[in-house]
Amino acid sequence: GMPVEQNPPALSLYEGAESGLRCNFSTTMKGVQWFQQNHRGRLITLFYLAQGTKENGRLKSTFNSKERYSTLHIKDAQLEDSGTYFCAVEGGTNTGKLTFGDGTVLTVKP
Amino acid sequence: NAGVIQTPRHKVTGKGQEATLWCEPISGHSAVFWYRQTIVQGLEFLTYFRNQAPIDDSGMPKERFSAQMPNQSHSTLKIQSTQPQDSAVYLCASSWGTGEDTQYFGPGTRLLVL
Repeated sequence: GMPVEQNPPALSLYEGAESGLRCNFSTTMKGVQWFQQNHRGRLITLFYLAQGTKENGRLKSTFNSKERYSTLHIKDAQLEDSGTYFCAVEGGTNTGKLTFGDGTVLTVKP
Repeated sequence: NAGVIQTPRHKVTGKGQEATLWCEPISGHSAVFWYRQTIVQGLEFLTYFRNQAPIDDSGMPKERFSAQMPNQSHSTLKIQSTQPQDSAVYLCASSWGTGEDTQYFGPGTRLLVL
């Protein structure tokens, strides 16, 4: 397979704080997708990137295919941001399958 | 848009029984993916259809697991002779299938094999 490494495994933030999550992968990938899995287990799509940077509200993600990493930055953290954040990479030809990292468990405290 | 629909949401089977899981992709999406999630293995790819044709089943266990997509509005994942190690959350996702596009996930079916 194509290992996907996520760091940190766990992160604790106070409301209003900001931090970044990182996803490293071993080979050049076609794209990366970031998800939040909430307390009900639902995978919520945050971003898909084939290159560059995308921003949506308090979230910002970058994808550097050449350097083999992606980041997800959360600013002004809110309680509802708590959950597990997964990155998943799409590689190879003729397949859209995603290979997931192990996730970062984010806890936002009041 | 109801999103990806999966039924049942929960299923309990006895060891050796058959389990069939259903997925209805987002209308208009031509690609359907199956994944499963366990505590030990995390999220794993199982199989993928595009325009109802099987494209990649490299993640499917070789025995007892099969997937079908008889029409563009639903796909099934069948597990024969279920075993306790098949217990997992089975997730279906769909996308436009144009390449470099977002996959949207359903709520999953939580399968428990006793």
